[in-house]
Amino acid sequence: EIVLTQSPGTLSLSPGERATLSCRASQNVRSSYLAWYQQKPGQAPRLLIYGASTRATGISDRFSGSGSGTDFTLTISRLEPEDFAVFYCQQYEYGGSPPNTFGQGTRLEIK
Amino acid sequence: DVQMVESGGGLVQPGESLRLSCTGYGLTFRDYWMTWVRQPPGKGLEWVANINRDGSEQYYTDSVKGRFTISRDNAENSLFLQMKNLRVEDSAMYYCTNILAATEPAEYFQHWGQGTLVTVSS
Repeated sequence: EIVLTQSPGTLSLSPGERATLSCRASQNVRSSYLAWYQQKPGQAPRLLIYGASTRATGISDRFSGSGSGTDFTLTISRLEPEDFAVFYCQQYEYGGSPPNTFGQGTRLEIK
Repeated sequence: DVQMVESGGGLVQPGESLRLSCTGYGLTFRDYWMTWVRQPPGKGLEWVANINRDGSEQYYTDSVKGRFTISRDNAENSLFLQMKNLRVEDSAMYYCTNILAATEPAEYFQHWGQGTLVTVSS
């Protein structure tokens, strides 16, 4: 099983600042099969980034993803009030048991 | 707009059963693999089960194998999760979601419902 560790656990920033969230995998994530999701209180998760760096339909270009292998990053430039939420990374491993795992989440809160 | 609408959650005792349903709107349901993901209150996300387009293949996380069954009815645009012998640790919000088709074999969870809450308690 590939374990994903996200850091920091909580990130406190102000609107207009830049956020950098990290996701580290316990093993190589082949073909960069990694995604990022945003979840606001009382809502379902929303797909932001897939394939490590491709924005999902309708996602602002303030969100960008990067990385490969075991280290991945989600960057949010110029934070807007609506961006504050919990963010999860998720990886897919063909034939894995389980094939899908999520990180524990990073809470992005308003400073 | 695509919508997934889950139902069937509730409060049950350990050892009891429950059947969750999810109906998809605004998408060609039969074209997508479908997934159940769960989230215990205040905790993170956990993948539970997948089913392929025609329902002939199912995959489960180890903790639910032999107790949960995922199925679908493409004529009704519906996804199901039959849960038996429920445990306290199965308590969670259960979300249904489709897998983004354009990036297969990778599995990314595209459209999510609002979830249905399952509480297992004596």
